[in-house]
Amino acid sequence: NAGVTQTPKFQVLKTGQSMTLQCAQDMNHNSMYWYRQDPGMGLRLIYYSASEGTTDKGEVPNGYNVSRLNKREFSLRLESAAPSQTSVYFCASSEARLAGYQETQYFGPGTRLLVL
Amino acid sequence: LAKTTQPISMDSYEGQEVNITCSHNNIATNDYITWYQQFPSQGPRFIIQGYKTKVTNEVASLFIPADRKSSTLSLPRVSLSDTAVYYCLVGELNSGAGSYQLTFGKGTKLSVIP
Repeated sequence: NAGVTQTPKFQVLKTGQSMTLQCAQDMNHNSMYWYRQDPGMGLRLIYYSASEGTTDKGEVPNGYNVSRLNKREFSLRLESAAPSQTSVYFCASSEARLAGYQETQYFGPGTRLLVL
Repeated sequence: LAKTTQPISMDSYEGQEVNITCSHNNIATNDYITWYQQFPSQGPRFIIQGYKTKVTNEVASLFIPADRKSSTLSLPRVSLSDTAVYYCLVGELNSGAGSYQLTFGKGTKLSVIP
């Protein structure tokens, strides 16, 4: 099992450009998450999906959209990138049907995004 | 959101036992306490989870007093490879959304010294 995979590993964008970060898990998990981590900070939840077909906002959703394409895949889209979105983005998944509840989250390796 | 408070950083020599304490005064009855470890340039990794008293696995021990307002992660005989950031998490029920969220604080940066 590959666990949680993310693409790309690194990306440079110009202000105003758009891009989609891809995430996939092969553990048959119900819940998936997108976090961002800024230097010296903890992770902040952007969006999550408790099950296929549902998505909910986390702590910092502004400027992002998500799609739970199927049970395996959860993508994060930046429609018009801004320098403030320069960060490391982590995708995670868990078995929980109720997102986050007492369940271990498994994280991907991260995508490093630089917006100029 | 319910908050956890833990030291920003700690230093320890190799071979010592390290105890990292986390405060979670507003923990709810159904909440578990979970600890994650994050190495530089990697995603966080689950270490241990508990509800009360003591939990031990091959990596660490977790001590939770009866009032559950704090918890202590204990790492026995740390090595250089234990240098990482350690996060204490308590789940948060978002009653409006009908879901449960985990909040990662800044964590405790543990530096193990040779």
